[in-house]
Amino acid sequence: NSKVIQTPRYLVKGQGQKAKMRCIPEKGHPVVFWYQQNKNNEFKFLINFQNQEVLQQIDMTEKRFSAECPSNSPCSLEIQSSEAGDSALYLCASSLTRANTGQLYFGEGSKLTVL
Amino acid sequence: AQSVDQPDAHVTLSEGASLELRCSYSYSAAPYLFWYVQYPGQSLQFLLKYITGDTVVKGTKGFEAEFRKSNSSFNLKKSPAHWSDSAKYFCALEASSSFSKLVFGQGTSLSVVP
Repeated sequence: NSKVIQTPRYLVKGQGQKAKMRCIPEKGHPVVFWYQQNKNNEFKFLINFQNQEVLQQIDMTEKRFSAECPSNSPCSLEIQSSEAGDSALYLCASSLTRANTGQLYFGEGSKLTVL
Repeated sequence: AQSVDQPDAHVTLSEGASLELRCSYSYSAAPYLFWYVQYPGQSLQFLLKYITGDTVVKGTKGFEAEFRKSNSSFNLKKSPAHWSDSAKYFCALEASSSFSKLVFGQGTSLSVVP
């Protein structure tokens, strides 16, 4: 069972609406990732950060996507103005270290449907 | 750019048979390679990784994988297969400079039938 908790499991939004997803990483994991998995099982890295600091993010993320991991609060990923192409499973993962071990612990995801 | 290819979208085999799921990668430097499994309705779970050293790595649930630099492959193996191994399997690559950012293959859906 995953110890990375994502909420909500499902959300449905209209185009142009905000969509917000939350993630509680595994206890003691300071590094958090957000990935987008589309219906074709293609994964797209969105952003990662360590504690509250952004490590890397893709260009798309900088325009409509925002993410944060405030101290003592769940991490979040927000899409400011949802588009149909944003419909996907959004996966949060955490890691003990940002060193190159790659062993990520994934949540079950938040499935976004944009009508 | 890095990429991972899993050429078999679906694999079906009988319980008790040997399974081998194919994975090839493209990366100019030494890769870090991983296999993850996704059971229906569950999150991605780590199976095993290759960082350096022995080319055959063992993981959880009785799986192992062999890294072959000569043909840029990292195939997942298990014998015998069990019906509970039915799931979707993803091969992933981490470039050595990417802060644990993974590049995933398309996945292979495995069905093990009685």
